[in-house]
Amino acid sequence: DIQMTQSPPSLSASLGDKVTITCQASQDINKFIAWYQQKPGKAPGLLIHYTSTLVSGIPSRFSGSGSGRDYSFSISNVESEDIATYYCLQYDFSPRTFGGGTKLELK
Amino acid sequence: EVQLVESGGGLVQPGRSLNLSCLASGFTFSNYGMNWIRQAPGKGLEWVASVSSGSSYIYYADTVKGRFTISRDDAKNTLYLQVTSLRSEDTALYYCARHGNNLHYYFDYWGQGVMVTVSS
Repeated sequence: DIQMTQSPPSLSASLGDKVTITCQASQDINKFIAWYQQKPGKAPGLLIHYTSTLVSGIPSRFSGSGSGRDYSFSISNVESEDIATYYCLQYDFSPRTFGGGTKLELK
Repeated sequence: EVQLVESGGGLVQPGRSLNLSCLASGFTFSNYGMNWIRQAPGKGLEWVASVSSGSSYIYYADTVKGRFTISRDDAKNTLYLQVTSLRSEDTALYYCARHGNNLHYYFDYWGQGVMVTVSS
């Protein structure tokens, strides 16, 4: 199975900050990575797929990049509504595997 | 609007069984692959099982293979997960999630989840 190493496990940010989360795959996943946001008590919601394609309706302060094994997800100008846990998902190989999650908190 | 509504969870003793359901609406259910994904309390996400459109392909995580059975009834727009020989480590919130019909598919819509608690 493909291992997705996501870091950091937690992140503290002030409103307006830019934050970056990384996911490293155990092998090349050919840009087939998606990013999800999960707020407490809610189901995960899809933000980005194919590394950098923003889902319709998702604010442009969310972005993704990367290739090969290394990928990143950023939020510029963090807002209070962005406080959540974020997960990456590789969908190049079966079984699909998630990163361990990054909990974003306000400083 | 795509909606996925899970039901059937509860508290069950180790070794017992449970049947989970997911009622879909807002899209042509038969055209999409469907999945069960779980999340243990305070933990991350784990894909559990998937069934393709038309039920041609069915896959399971190694952790549940031989104990869980995924199925679908397109006439009822419903996805099922029969869970047997339950263990404490199966305690989790179980989500149903849709995926597209590409070779490289991701999970685009999720239900709100149904809780399964395995305890004596």
